[in-house]
Amino acid sequence: KQEVTQIPAALSVPEGENLVLNCSFTDSAIYNLQWFRQDPGKGLTSLLLIQSSQREQTSGRLNASLDKSSGRSTLYIAASQPGDSATYLCAVRGNNFNKFYFGSGTKLNVKP
Amino acid sequence: GAGVSQSPSNKVTEKGKDVELRCDPISGHTALYWYRQSLGQGLEFLIYFQGNSAPDKSGLPSDRFSAERTGGSVSTLTIQRTQQEDSAVYLCASSLGIINEKLFFGSGTQLSVL
Repeated sequence: KQEVTQIPAALSVPEGENLVLNCSFTDSAIYNLQWFRQDPGKGLTSLLLIQSSQREQTSGRLNASLDKSSGRSTLYIAASQPGDSATYLCAVRGNNFNKFYFGSGTKLNVKP
Repeated sequence: GAGVSQSPSNKVTEKGKDVELRCDPISGHTALYWYRQSLGQGLEFLIYFQGNSAPDKSGLPSDRFSAERTGGSVSTLTIQRTQQEDSAVYLCASSLGIINEKLFFGSGTQLSVL
């Protein structure tokens, strides 16, 4: 069974810092990986989708990388802002094509 | 619709009652998922629908849980004889399927079983 781990569980940084969130998975036979953000009381918003054949994806201040062989992905947030405060989750799609396995998330607080 | 719509947003019920949760996916999305998020836990897969294929029910925790998707669009998750451990946020997501698997989530239904 695929296990997805996110470290750290929580992170607090001052505004303006660049930061990295980590996601690791136990089974490298994945189809794709997505990063989401979740605001309190809300659903999840997809930030970036990386196919298994890709190494990275970028959207604005966000850059996600994927190293399938080592079972790792990172989400890099440049010049963090208070509006980035949320919980960030990663999810991998297993090769059975039927489900995404989610990590427990990293709760990010960006202090003004 | 513009996004994935779930109703009700909150549901309080008594132990032993049946509940129905509704999900209206984005028009044209062939894939639909139900997940459950318990307090402080990760998302737990429940069920997956893809077009007219048989659903993947492998995540349903017991036979008290069932789901259907009518006409390839709206889905209903039914929990019979609710238990306190069923209390959680139930999230629905849809995607274009194999064309583009970016998931769009609804805001969820907060279920509280007293």
